[in-house]
Amino acid sequence: NAGVTQTPKFRILKIGQSMTLQCTQDMNHNYMYWYRQDPGMGLKLIYYSVGAGITDKGEVPNGYNVSRSTTEDFPLRLELAAPSQTSVYFCASSSPLAVYEQYFGPGTRLTVT
Amino acid sequence: RKEVEQDPGPFNVPEGATVAFNCTYSNSASQSFFWYRQDCRKEPKLLMSVYSSGNEDGRFTAQLNRASQYISLLIRDSKLSDSATYLCVVTFTGGGNKLTFGTGTQLKVEL
Repeated sequence: NAGVTQTPKFRILKIGQSMTLQCTQDMNHNYMYWYRQDPGMGLKLIYYSVGAGITDKGEVPNGYNVSRSTTEDFPLRLELAAPSQTSVYFCASSSPLAVYEQYFGPGTRLTVT
Repeated sequence: RKEVEQDPGPFNVPEGATVAFNCTYSNSASQSFFWYRQDCRKEPKLLMSVYSSGNEDGRFTAQLNRASQYISLLIRDSKLSDSATYLCVVTFTGGGNKLTFGTGTQLKVEL
């Protein structure tokens, strides 16, 4: 089991560019999440999904979009990147029976300049 | 006021020492409590749940004080490998089981 995988590991974007952060899990988890982690701040939930075709906003959704066409994949789209989106992005998944036990991917370090 | 507050540290302790961290939460409707561990530049991982009666997992003991709205993590006989950031995590009633993370307490165990 690879668990939760994320690509890319690192990325530098120019202001106004767009990109998609990929996330895949092989644990057959229904629930998936996207967080961002800024220095000195706790993880903030961007979007989450409780199953294919179902997504919902978290605490900080502005500037991001998601889709969930399969159980395995949960890509995060950044449109018109801004310096405020410089952060480390973590994807996570969990079983609906144990939502507190989230399995995280290794993260994507994004810099917007 | 932050929903979940932690002393950022760092806590620098010698190997073999006992160290304790506290975490306070502001919402009295808090439901469940957990400690996650995050190694430097790595992803967070669940360390242990925190039960009302307190619970122990090897060298780690977690306790909950609902009256004072804080949870604690005690690490006995610290190892170099315990060096990490410890994240306090809370779920709130009405929060849809979403996790609220504290900013973390950094622990450095030294020889």
